[in-house]
Amino acid sequence: KAGVTQTPRYLIKTRGQQVTLSCSPISGHRSVSWYQQTPGQGLQFLFEYFSETQRNKGNFPGRFSGRQFSNSRSEMNVSTLELGDSALYLCASSWMDTAYEQYFGPGTRLTVT
Amino acid sequence: KQEVTQIPAALSVPEGENLVLNCSFTDSAIYNLQWFRQDPGKGLTSLLLIQSSQREQTSGRLNASLDKSSGRSTLYIAASQPGDSATYLCAVNSGGSGGYNKLIFGAGTRLAVHP
Repeated sequence: KAGVTQTPRYLIKTRGQQVTLSCSPISGHRSVSWYQQTPGQGLQFLFEYFSETQRNKGNFPGRFSGRQFSNSRSEMNVSTLELGDSALYLCASSWMDTAYEQYFGPGTRLTVT
Repeated sequence: KQEVTQIPAALSVPEGENLVLNCSFTDSAIYNLQWFRQDPGKGLTSLLLIQSSQREQTSGRLNASLDKSSGRSTLYIAASQPGDSATYLCAVNSGGSGGYNKLIFGAGTRLAVHP
């Protein structure tokens, strides 16, 4: 069974631009969560989607948004990029709406210059 | 507000040693606790999941325990090998206002096992 895939793996953007990251969960998984990892703040929860609905949201500004499609694939968007948005963005998928094991993808490394 | 702390922050041991990584959390109302491994620049690999009703889980040379009432978990690694060198992360799932999947991570323990 294929794991969680994320595209692209690496991105370089300029301040003020916007970016869209994609995540394909493990087949059959319906919950997709997004996390930001930085050296200073560690791993922080961004949001979680289940059956195309956002269920939880972390403490990030409105520039960070996401969505989930009917096939459970998810995208996250960051608008008006800032230097501080440079990070490793990780996606995790889980089977059901209860607390099952979460599986992470390889991440997208975003660099904002 | 749930907070997760991992001690020590870094650990260097010779190959073959048994070692213990510690994780503590402030709110005992959790669904489960998960241990991960992260190699430099890579994603997270799930090692063990302990549900809130369980006391421990084992996988190969790894054993994780959970004491929910005291807010503690330990990851025991037996007979360490150089390939175990990585950062080990503890995460508690306290859920959120809308659902069950919200992990709060500790800062990790960076482990180096030297031959």
